[in-house]
Amino acid sequence: GAGVSQSPSNKVTEKGKDVELRCDPISGHTALYWYRQSLGQGLEFLIYFQGNSAPDKSGLPSDRFSAERTGGSVSTLTIQRTQQEDSAVYLCATSGLNYGYTFGSGTRLTVV
Amino acid sequence: GENVEQHPSTLSVQEGDSAVIKCTYSDSASNYFPWYKQELGKRPQLIIDIRSNVGEKKDQRIAVTLNKTAKHFSLHITETQPEDSAVYFCAALLSNDYKLSFGAGTTVTVRA
Repeated sequence: GAGVSQSPSNKVTEKGKDVELRCDPISGHTALYWYRQSLGQGLEFLIYFQGNSAPDKSGLPSDRFSAERTGGSVSTLTIQRTQQEDSAVYLCATSGLNYGYTFGSGTRLTVV
Repeated sequence: GENVEQHPSTLSVQEGDSAVIKCTYSDSASNYFPWYKQELGKRPQLIIDIRSNVGEKKDQRIAVTLNKTAKHFSLHITETQPEDSAVYFCAALLSNDYKLSFGAGTTVTVRA
């Protein structure tokens, strides 16, 4: 597609429920990144994909967080047993050969 | 990995004045330095970038300068306008790395 697409744009969930966040990258972008941004804060790295593999998962906050990417395209970030501290905007970014990131519009997650 | 520090954290300027944001990085092997602008509730967007083989790059009212010896780079916005109000993030990429290291962000407010 023309840009990075994320869905849903907003998600309100009850504490303890699982959520799935989706990222559709720009066609041909092999690198995909997930970041988290709490209100008024900076960009917290979560995980990096090159193709379907994730050589860097160092930013995942706990084992409740996981992500996968299939066909070198769509990626899904899953948060199990959500907690209130998981509330944030989750941003996906993809990159081609010129290194620059293109960010999606993000998913605003609210855990109540 | 790379460590990027960004100053100031907040900046208030009168419309028409200039704004300058400075970033320092730790690893001399970094060779790519993008700047992102994030308006309230929006995604970060790339506004300008510079590679280590140039010292300055300009695009209309914005410019970036790079001092490789001192390991710092700066964003300059001239003739500021209300629409320049946003959070600005600098970043750096190591030559053998895949992941941008972001600064903590600068909130710029342009007073009318």
